[in-house]
Amino acid sequence: QVQLQESGPGLVKPSETLSLTCSVSGGSIRDYYWSWIRQSPGKGVEWIGYIFYSGSTNYSPSFQSRVTISVDMTKHQFSLKLTSVTAADAAVYYCARQPLDYWYFDLWGRGTQVTVSS
Amino acid sequence: QSILTQPPSVSGAPGQRVTISCSGSSSNIGTGYDVHWYQQLPGTAPKLLIYGNTNRPSGVPDRFSGSKSGTSASLAITGLQADDEADYYCQSYDSDVSAWVFGGGTKLTVL
Repeated sequence: QVQLQESGPGLVKPSETLSLTCSVSGGSIRDYYWSWIRQSPGKGVEWIGYIFYSGSTNYSPSFQSRVTISVDMTKHQFSLKLTSVTAADAAVYYCARQPLDYWYFDLWGRGTQVTVSS
Repeated sequence: QSILTQPPSVSGAPGQRVTISCSGSSSNIGTGYDVHWYQQLPGTAPKLLIYGNTNRPSGVPDRFSGSKSGTSASLAITGLQADDEADYYCQSYDSDVSAWVFGGGTKLTVL
């Protein structure tokens, strides 16, 4: 059974870079797109971007200028970096799986809360 | 303001039927992009409930059904149960913003 687990600092200072990792266990990382999605009371649920095992990425234009998603096949992990964070970036961040050629998210991690504060 | 509009809340008594609407536009649902639905129980991650407008993943009871028409979609829940109390989100793709988008969510209360 495939499971996703987010990890990373729960507190980030304003203007710094938010870095999170999603560990994929129990299945192949090759056959899906792997997304980052966040949820906050103010902005609701937002798709940030995805990566394929080959390294190809697709980012939401809302985050394009600040986001980098990368993959480490050897560790079965993919990662999110979001630069120049502000209080508006405080949210629960989820990693999620997206089947190829299907535009839904069929498996989600439990999520990790990120607070932005000095 | 979400691109996909859902009512903030709906409610129903146990055993009743409720529907949750998801209103979009010509740049998303109206163009033909599929609508998907998620259930988020308190304190948990969203869980896929309906995909491709009408399809249920394995394990989802047939009390849950989805439909789509024009620029809108709906989620229907029949035989309401106490553990259906959750937030429900619709999701589609929007060509104007070139991104997958979610509705604002609807809180279902079982009376």
